[in-house]
Amino acid sequence: GENVEQHPSTLSVQEGDSAVIKCTYSDSASNYFPWYKQELGKRPQLIIDIRSNVGEKKDQRIAVTLNKTAKHFSLHITETQPEDSAVYFCAASPMGRSGNQFYFGTGTSLTVIP
Amino acid sequence: NAGVTQTPKFQVLKTGQSMTLQCAQDMNHEYMSWYRQDPGMGLRLIHYSVGAGITDQGEVPNGYNVSRSTTEDFPLRLLSAAPSQTSVYFCASSWASRGEKLFFGSGTQLSVL
Repeated sequence: GENVEQHPSTLSVQEGDSAVIKCTYSDSASNYFPWYKQELGKRPQLIIDIRSNVGEKKDQRIAVTLNKTAKHFSLHITETQPEDSAVYFCAASPMGRSGNQFYFGTGTSLTVIP
Repeated sequence: NAGVTQTPKFQVLKTGQSMTLQCAQDMNHEYMSWYRQDPGMGLRLIHYSVGAGITDQGEVPNGYNVSRSTTEDFPLRLLSAAPSQTSVYFCASSWASRGEKLFFGSGTQLSVL
C-alpha cells in the first residue's frame, strides 16, 4: 500500500518567517494530496489540497507544491503568525482503489514564536 | 447541518470490556471511515465503507468491527478492549468520488486500563 513520510516532526519559527513541511509518497497511483491542520484537542481541518495534474496551488499565505516525478509534495506557510501553531498532516490518496483511502503522514508540530 | 457527529467524547474501559463508538453524518456522504491517532503515528485507517452494506479493512483493523446499515451511521465496535487500543478515534466522511475533502468528527478519547 501507500507509504507517506513527513518531515520534520517538529518545527519552530519566528513570527513572520516562513515554514516548509515536506512529504514523500510511494504509490504512483496517488492523485490527491490534502493538508490538514489540527489544533490541540480539535479535529483535523483541511487547509489546502492539490491534485496530480497541478504543480502548485496557493491560497493567501499557504501554498502547496507537487513533484510527481520525485513523488514529493510540500506545504509552504509564509509570514507565519502565532495562530499557525498546530500539528500539520499531509496525506495521499491513490487512484483506482475502492473509495477514498487516505494515507497520512506522521505529522509536523509547528510552533510560531511571537 | 451538524456534519459528522461522534459519541462519546471520552471513555474509560477495563481490559476485556466491549463498547461501540458512534458516528453519524448528515451530508449524505457515501464514504465513511474510522481512524485512530496515536502520538508520532499520524492518523491510521481502521475500517472504511463506500456505502450502506459495504465495509472494508484499512491499515489497522484487528480488534475492531464495523457495520454500515444506513448511509448516515457507521459505528465502530471494540469486542474485547485491550490497553493497545488506548487512542483518540476519529470518524471521517466524504463524497464517494476520489479526491474529495474528508470531514472529521470531533474525536473520542478512549483509555483502556
